[in-house]
Amino acid sequence: AAGVIQSPRHLIKEKRETATLKCYPIPRHDTVYWYQQGPGQDPQFLISFYEKMQSDKGSIPDRFSAQQFSDYHSELNMSSLELGDSALYFCASSLSRAEAFFGQGTRLTVV
Amino acid sequence: RKEVEQDPGPFNVPEGATVAFNCTYSNSASQSFFWYRQDCRKEPKLLMSVYSSGNEDGRFTAQLNRASQYISLLIRDSKLSDSATYLCVVNNSAGNMLTFGGGTRLMVKP
Repeated sequence: AAGVIQSPRHLIKEKRETATLKCYPIPRHDTVYWYQQGPGQDPQFLISFYEKMQSDKGSIPDRFSAQQFSDYHSELNMSSLELGDSALYFCASSLSRAEAFFGQGTRLTVV
Repeated sequence: RKEVEQDPGPFNVPEGATVAFNCTYSNSASQSFFWYRQDCRKEPKLLMSVYSSGNEDGRFTAQLNRASQYISLLIRDSKLSDSATYLCVVNNSAGNMLTFGGGTRLMVKP
């Protein structure tokens, strides 16, 4: 069965650079979530989309933005990267309030 | 106070033991509840949804107490492969934000 696809799997960027993470949800899922997980931390909610419209926003820095496109894939754009942005970034998708399925994540390292 | 709280553990148990995890949530309007399992440096994977009537899946039993805003997970006959972090996850009333507890770490020893 198709799962949530994230790309790239690993990304190394320098401070002040920009990064774009991509997420392809499970077909027919209407909700996409983005999470950031630092070392030894639980996943922290960043933002979610329902039917391509932003629906909830968590602790997402102003330097970050996200959108969901007509084909339902989503992108998380991160600018002016800081060392503290180094983390695992997970995308998940669900059908309304049903269980969410996670992608394998993108490991971002800012140096 | 976090919206979803769990005892971080670690719980160190021998193989074959029964272990129980608890989770409390603060938003009484929460609609959906789940237990996820996360292995080191991997994505969270759904273990089971939690229903008001309680539900069981093999060695795993989940229960929800809406009045006390409390969720539990019971693992019977622990296996070495059960060693992981167990995350309690709550969906808000609109269903568009999953909030994670801090996770409870389980270590099953031979």
